[in-house]
Amino acid sequence: GAGVSQSPRYKVTKRGQDVALRCDPISGHVSLYWYRQALGQGPEFLTYFNYEAQQDKSGLPNDRFSAERPEGSISTLTIQRTEQRDSAMYRCASSLAGEEAYEQYFGPGTRLTVT
Amino acid sequence: LAKTTQPISMDSYEGQEVNITCSHNNIATNDYITWYQQFPSQGPRFIIQGYKTKVTNEVASLFIPADRKSSTLSLPRVSLSDTAVYYCLVGDIRGNNAGNMLTFGGGTRLMVKP
Repeated sequence: GAGVSQSPRYKVTKRGQDVALRCDPISGHVSLYWYRQALGQGPEFLTYFNYEAQQDKSGLPNDRFSAERPEGSISTLTIQRTEQRDSAMYRCASSLAGEEAYEQYFGPGTRLTVT
Repeated sequence: LAKTTQPISMDSYEGQEVNITCSHNNIATNDYITWYQQFPSQGPRFIIQGYKTKVTNEVASLFIPADRKSSTLSLPRVSLSDTAVYYCLVGDIRGNNAGNMLTFGGGTRLMVKP
């Protein structure tokens, strides 16, 4: 079946612009996670949802970052007033609930470049 | 918060068994141990998860001693395609502080040579 999809796959934006990154999870997956990954480093947790509820947003770097999942399916990560330090690979993952939440399925990522 | 420590890198040869050990001295009662694999330019992929003793699936085995302060991922007869970064995660994802668990760290870079 279809896996996690993310769009766009690549995004180049100028400093100060807002960007919206989309994640379409596997159908039926309750939980959705956002990560950021710099080159040569492991993924860094940003936030996650169970259904439409944002359970933990402790990893969001500052208030320029926000995420929503209004209908408990597709999620959008928004970065306002982008800065060059926001350049990274942004990854989304989804999973079932409970103990099966440990098995996350990752999407291909969105490569964000802020110039 | 169970901090994890694992080797930065390891080398092996095709056909050998590889064991990667992760230390997690502060593991809590409800914490699970999960391992992921990541190839270059791809997202991480779940390998195995365990709570105690031994877990085995078609890809790997996970050994967890009684005190659960460490765990060892065992990859039997590795091939060149097993060259990747391996991450150990420890925590309870079911709580409201799942973000604390979802810390991938730097992982262990496994290089399999011919």
